[in-house]
Amino acid sequence: DTGVSQDPRHKITKRGQNVTFRCDPISEHNRLYWYRQTLGQGPEFLTYFQNEAQLEKSRLLSDRFSAERPKGSFSTLEIQRTEQGDSAMYLCASSLAGGPDTQYFGPGTRLTVL
Amino acid sequence: GQSLEQPSEVTAVEGAIVQINCTYQTSGFYGLSWYQQHDGGAPTFLSYNALDGLEETGRFSSFLSRSDSYGYLLLQELQMKDSASYFCAYNQGGKLIFGQGTELSVKP
Repeated sequence: DTGVSQDPRHKITKRGQNVTFRCDPISEHNRLYWYRQTLGQGPEFLTYFQNEAQLEKSRLLSDRFSAERPKGSFSTLEIQRTEQGDSAMYLCASSLAGGPDTQYFGPGTRLTVL
Repeated sequence: GQSLEQPSEVTAVEGAIVQINCTYQTSGFYGLSWYQQHDGGAPTFLSYNALDGLEETGRFSSFLSRSDSYGYLLLQELQMKDSASYFCAYNQGGKLIFGQGTELSVKP
């Protein structure tokens, strides 16, 4: 399968712990996006990269969140000092810049903060 | 501000046609996308309109009117497997801004 993959698929953590998620985009895609989705809502944009450069970060993203894409391939999203409000599905998507720039989503990582 | 509005729920019967409307308000607009999401699954791309008019992909069609800030998704020959949430989203300089989604229930 050459689609977007995410790891882990599920994460349960205690409040105050740090968590890190990984996303592997479609190999030829140079853009990579992170979104967060809570029950009954649409995905909410967090940040995106073009190659290794982080081009935009949502103002809603607190300083506890950081994302990297060091070699322009996979990306990691770290949440420090997790809070119960961080419980959500974290979705990664990738696209090829230019043209319709259609974004293809991975299966997501479901985070539960106890 | 920026926002999208779509109905929260739609119910239809198998074999019927259903239209899901989406209105948007934004200062920057590149195009309107539609995604399908089954319970517990990832959003799956359905269709994209950058220009006014109708785009057809099999049983699904999508329409955009930029002057009216309005679009719709048309699903024909509904099947039970079409029961899912459908999101409209506009592209804004790379990122997608999603509506809250329309939950479609297809009844036998």
